[in-house]
Formats: sequence, structure tokens, C-alpha cells
Amino acid sequence: DAKTTQPNSMESNEEEPVHLPCNHSTISGTDYIHWYRQLPSQGPEYVIHGLTSNVNNRMASLAIAEDRKSSTLILHRATLRDAAVYYCIPEAGNNRKLIWGLGTSLAVNP
Amino acid sequence: GAVVSQHPSRVICKSGTSVKIECRSLDFQATTMFWYRQFPKQSLMLMATSNEGSKATYEQGVEKDKFLINHASLTLSTLTVTSAHPEDSSFYICSASSQASDEQYFGPGTRLTVT
Repeated sequence: DAKTTQPNSMESNEEEPVHLPCNHSTISGTDYIHWYRQLPSQGPEYVIHGLTSNVNNRMASLAIAEDRKSSTLILHRATLRDAAVYYCIPEAGNNRKLIWGLGTSLAVNP
Repeated sequence: GAVVSQHPSRVICKSGTSVKIECRSLDFQATTMFWYRQFPKQSLMLMATSNEGSKATYEQGVEKDKFLINHASLTLSTLTVTSAHPEDSSFYICSASSQASDEQYFGPGTRLTVT
């Protein structure tokens, strides 16, 4: 299973962009990179996923390094509701088993 | 988007009793459901993976006779914590996926407290 490294915590100001990094240097060539987030006392919420190309959706953008050893989740304008723990997860195989690390706890200041 | 519900949202039970937690996919057919446990300040730990109509696959260290999983239909999976003890107190979360999507959709979680 690919191991990930994320900062324990990050801080942002409201309405500013946030770049959340993730290192996954042991990722296999066929693993997708998934990002989920979890608000306090709630189940995780899907954010975005990608394989090689950068991806955009209504929630965020995902920038994937050319060598796929790292990726960055970009929140274009942080809001207070974006305060959560963000998890970067390489998908561990075709059975869609997700192996969770400790993630990055994002605080958003008003 | 796809919705997954869990019931109950929180439950308190006495030591030695059994507790059943339901996980339902409300608007899609979940071919695979996952059960996780999360202790305070820790990450999600996968307990088991279940496919509809077949026995669940448990992760190493998870007792299958203690945590009974039934995935009897494409919209319902249940987790029964048998003979619960205080150390089983945790946040239990289910997720569901379909063959049509790479995403896992998570339930809101169930807070179990064993006294």
C-alpha cells in the first residue's frame, strides 16, 4: 500500500486560496489519488480524485505532479465551512479499499 | 449526489449487550459496502469490506465473531457489535460504492458508547 505524507495542520484566512500538499512517492502506476475531507463528528466527504491529469470540480482542483509522487489539493477561496481534516489517499487496488492516514487539519480564520 | 444513511446516529448500551448499526444507500445500488471505526483524534480504520450476497472480508485484527456484518441487499448492510465492552466505544462509519463510480459515499457515522 502506498504511504502518504501530509502536514499535520494548516491555517488559512477566509476567501484566500489554500494549497494542501501530499507526498505519495510509493504510489503505483495505476492507483488513483483520492481526496476526502471530514468535518468534526461527521463521516468523510468525497472532494476530488485523479490519475495523471489535473482535475477540477465545483469543490476544488487537484494538481498532480508529472512523476505522480505528489499532489496538491487547491481550494480556490476558503470558507469557514471548509475547516476540516483533509485526507489524501492513493487507492489501494481494484477493490477500492482506502487506507487512511492522519490527514491535514485545516483551520480557516474569519 | 449519492446519499448514505446510518441508524442510529448515536447509541449508548451496557457492557455485554449487542448493538446493531444499519447502513443504507438511499438512491443507488451499493455493490460494495465498507465499515470503518474511528477513535478520537485518530484516522479511520477499515474493519471490513462486504459485497452484496457474500461474506464480508475482515481486516487483520478485527474479530469477525464480534463484529457481525450482513449485506443482504444492494441497499442495506448491518454491523452488529456483539457483547460490547467499553473499549468498543467508538465512531463507526460505513461507506458504499457502486460499480458505476470510483467514489465511496460515506454515512454520517454512529457514535457508540458502551457503559
